[in-house]
Amino acid sequence: KAGVTQTPRYLIKTRGQQVTLSCSPISGHRSVSWYQQTPGQGLQFLFEYFSETQRNKGNFPGRFSGRQFSNSRSEMNVSTLELGDSALYLCASSLESLRSGNTIYFGEGSWLTVV
Amino acid sequence: SQKIEQNSEALNIQEGKTATLTCNYTNYSPAYLQWYRQDPGRGPVFLLLIRENEKEKRKERLKVTFDTTLKQSLFHITASQPADSATYLCALRFSGGYNKLIFGAGTRLAVHP
Repeated sequence: KAGVTQTPRYLIKTRGQQVTLSCSPISGHRSVSWYQQTPGQGLQFLFEYFSETQRNKGNFPGRFSGRQFSNSRSEMNVSTLELGDSALYLCASSLESLRSGNTIYFGEGSWLTVV
Repeated sequence: SQKIEQNSEALNIQEGKTATLTCNYTNYSPAYLQWYRQDPGRGPVFLLLIRENEKEKRKERLKVTFDTTLKQSLFHITASQPADSATYLCALRFSGGYNKLIFGAGTRLAVHP
């Protein structure tokens, strides 16, 4: 079955603009998480959505936001872009089960460059 | 303060040898520890998950150990191949933390023919 799909794969934005990234989880997966990866900070958790509700959030400013739709697809938005927002943004999905410890699968990411 | 540390330097080994990667953490009490492989420009690929009450997990040429007393996990690749060259990431998960992962910086492994 298809993996986690992220679009767009690459994009370039100008400082001050906003950007929306999209993620389609693996079929049947209801949990979607977002991560930012930079050379300096590594992989950092942004937020997680489950059943259209944000249930966990990392330490990022309010310019970073997200949402999840009823079909589990998710979007994240970054407003007022700064040069430091240039990063690989990764989406991950997981099959929620009563037994925790379920595997988390990542997409290939969206490369954002802010100029 | 809370930290996750992986071998900071790249690990270079000869094909056929066993690669051993280390993940140490402080001031965390994870319920699970996961290992991922990441190739340049690609997303992390899940390899193994080990629970706090498990000492060892194996999958083909891969083996993970988890010592909650030492706060350390070791990741072994036996009979290594050049195709195993990649960055390996350890990640912690916590009870009640849902699907939030805390990642180490990763160790770059290079397997030479």
